[in-house]
Amino acid sequence: QVQLVESGGGVVQPGRSLRLSCAASGFSFSSYGIHWVRQAPGKGLEWVAVISYDGSNQYYADFVRGRFTISRDNSKNTLYLQMNSLRAEDTAVYYCARPAGQYFDFWSGFGSWGQGTLVTVSS
Amino acid sequence: QSALTQPASVSGSPGQSITISCTGTSSDVGRYNLVSWYQQRPGKAPKLMIYEVTKRPSGVSDRFSGSNSGNTASLTISGLQAEDEADYYCCSYAASSAYFGTGTKVTVL
Repeated sequence: QVQLVESGGGVVQPGRSLRLSCAASGFSFSSYGIHWVRQAPGKGLEWVAVISYDGSNQYYADFVRGRFTISRDNSKNTLYLQMNSLRAEDTAVYYCARPAGQYFDFWSGFGSWGQGTLVTVSS
Repeated sequence: QSALTQPASVSGSPGQSITISCTGTSSDVGRYNLVSWYQQRPGKAPKLMIYEVTKRPSGVSDRFSGSNSGNTASLTISGLQAEDEADYYCCSYAASSAYFGTGTKVTVL
């Protein structure tokens, strides 16, 4: 079955960097775009970024554009999120999510989710 | 662009039907048939309940249905059950981004 496993979270000081990973299995990873979605403690869901199935297109939420970079390695079935210039407001559980549709049909809905990894930005 | 608006809470008795609204604008909910709904239980990842406004993934109960009218999408839960108690979020595509709703806590009385 579809499995997404995030890792790389932890406590980091403001202004520092962190890289999250999402290991995928149980489906053809190279056929799907993949999203990052976050949730601050006790708050709602927030879309962060998406990358197309082949890595040729990336889209970002305004609040992370220029600071975060989404990438993927299809040979390793792994998605990444490089987070730079971290702020306290970036504190959240970060989920990777596979859309319901394949290839460039990645806006129809988030069909499968990982368990999330917690990022805490604090001095 | 900002978060879509949902009621903070909705409640109902077992067996009843409830409807959760999700209000956006003519640039998101009113423009694209790309509204989805998620159920999230405490400490768990969200679960897709409805996608593309009305479609239900395999394995999701047919007690859950979606619709939209103008700039407002809706999720209806029929035959409310105790297991439906959770937070629910809508989400819409707009301008190469996705926007979630503010979230609704459903309580089964």
